[in-house]
Amino acid sequence: GEDVEQSLFLSVREGDSSVINCTYTDSSSTYLYWYKQEPGAGLQLLTYIFSNMDMKQDQRLTVLLNKKDKHLSLRIADTQTGDSAIYFCAESMENAGNMLTFGGGTRLMVKP
Amino acid sequence: GAVVSQHPSWVICKSGTSVKIECRSLDFQATTMFWYRQFPKQSLMLMATSNEGSKATYEQGVEKDKFLINHASLTLSTLTVTSAHPEDSSFYICSAGAVDGNTEAFFGQGTRLTVV
Repeated sequence: GEDVEQSLFLSVREGDSSVINCTYTDSSSTYLYWYKQEPGAGLQLLTYIFSNMDMKQDQRLTVLLNKKDKHLSLRIADTQTGDSAIYFCAESMENAGNMLTFGGGTRLMVKP
Repeated sequence: GAVVSQHPSWVICKSGTSVKIECRSLDFQATTMFWYRQFPKQSLMLMATSNEGSKATYEQGVEKDKFLINHASLTLSTLTVTSAHPEDSSFYICSAGAVDGNTEAFFGQGTRLTVV
């Protein structure tokens, strides 16, 4: 079965870059996603990458995908206090529609 | 982007009562909606897949008689927690994707259920 893992916690200083890592086991993943969840709120899609891509950049966000190692990362440049939240990576499989398998989430704390 | 509206955002109910949570796709049609449950400080776990016009598909360990799902139209799925117990207290989130095959899943804002 599929398994998605993330480290639990990351602390950075405001202005630094944050890198959140994620590993997955299912090589048939088609899309990989990063979601942000603020306390008590739903999920906000930050970005996603198709499995045949290596990198995707969107403003302060850079997603790197190493398909060989099944490793996904999210880099947030110039991290702000408003970036403090839980970040979930998720994968979808071919023919599974929009069903996602989530990692456990990484709590990002940004110190002023 | 597409919008999925989930209602209510939070609800408190007494043990033994039932609670209905609605998930609506506001500007697109969704043949499939997904219901997830999130325990405190944990990830989201898929509970069931809601299929328009047919029975829902439940994940292993999820009681279908307790968590009733109805997907009567292409824009509405409901999750009813029947005979709620305190251990049902959780954060429930739905998601939907468009029928045109767009892979992006759009999430509702979630419902925090507290059973007292």
